[in-house]
Amino acid sequence: GAGVSQTPSNKVTEKGKYVELRCDPISGHTALYWYRQSLGQGPEFLIYFQGTGAADDSGLPNDRFFAVRPEGSVSTLKIQRTERGDSAVYLCASSYDRGPGELFFGEGSRLTVL
Amino acid sequence: AQSVSQHNHHVILSEAASLELGCNYSYGGTVNLFWYVQYPGQHLQLLLKYFSGDPLVKGIKGFEAEFIKSKFSFNLRKPSVQWSDTAEYFCAVNLYSGTYKYIFGTGTRLKVLA
Repeated sequence: GAGVSQTPSNKVTEKGKYVELRCDPISGHTALYWYRQSLGQGPEFLIYFQGTGAADDSGLPNDRFFAVRPEGSVSTLKIQRTERGDSAVYLCASSYDRGPGELFFGEGSRLTVL
Repeated sequence: AQSVSQHNHHVILSEAASLELGCNYSYGGTVNLFWYVQYPGQHLQLLLKYFSGDPLVKGIKGFEAEFIKSKFSFNLRKPSVQWSDTAEYFCAVNLYSGTYKYIFGTGTRLKVLA
């Protein structure tokens, strides 16, 4: 498909486990964003990539969270030693360039930490 | 810190009623403004956007929004809502502060009664 693809759509894990969430952006989109959305809240910024580099990672809550985009396309959000408070929907969005453009969102990955 | 406020968290309307959802942001510089919508079971998608020019912008499905710079506001309106407008609406601001930031409000859940 032509849209932003996120996998898995649902992930249930136990406290303390390691989790990877994948985002495949729209082809040609250089900017990629990760957001976290908790129940009743708006998307909370985590990290923004321009190409392969993290242009802004100021939203990552702590050093358990890390994201990569090695080839400037697919990105992986990695969460170590998961905690129950990490439970949320993790959204990925891409846009054509780093400027003020429309964000195209994926369906999200729902993470539940038991 | 920059932020976006949406004061209406839940709104219930009957079909054909008029809608206005408030959005205020806190940032003194140049901004680009957006409204995104999330229909039940779907991903976030763009409803309308303002970059410059006429402060009254029109989007899809009969929605419009007005940018009032002096009030730091970008309220969303629709003269006559339909049952199919039931969704969650998010106001977002894109600004440049060392890097491009895309900040979302907490969202307004709209329910339209048939």
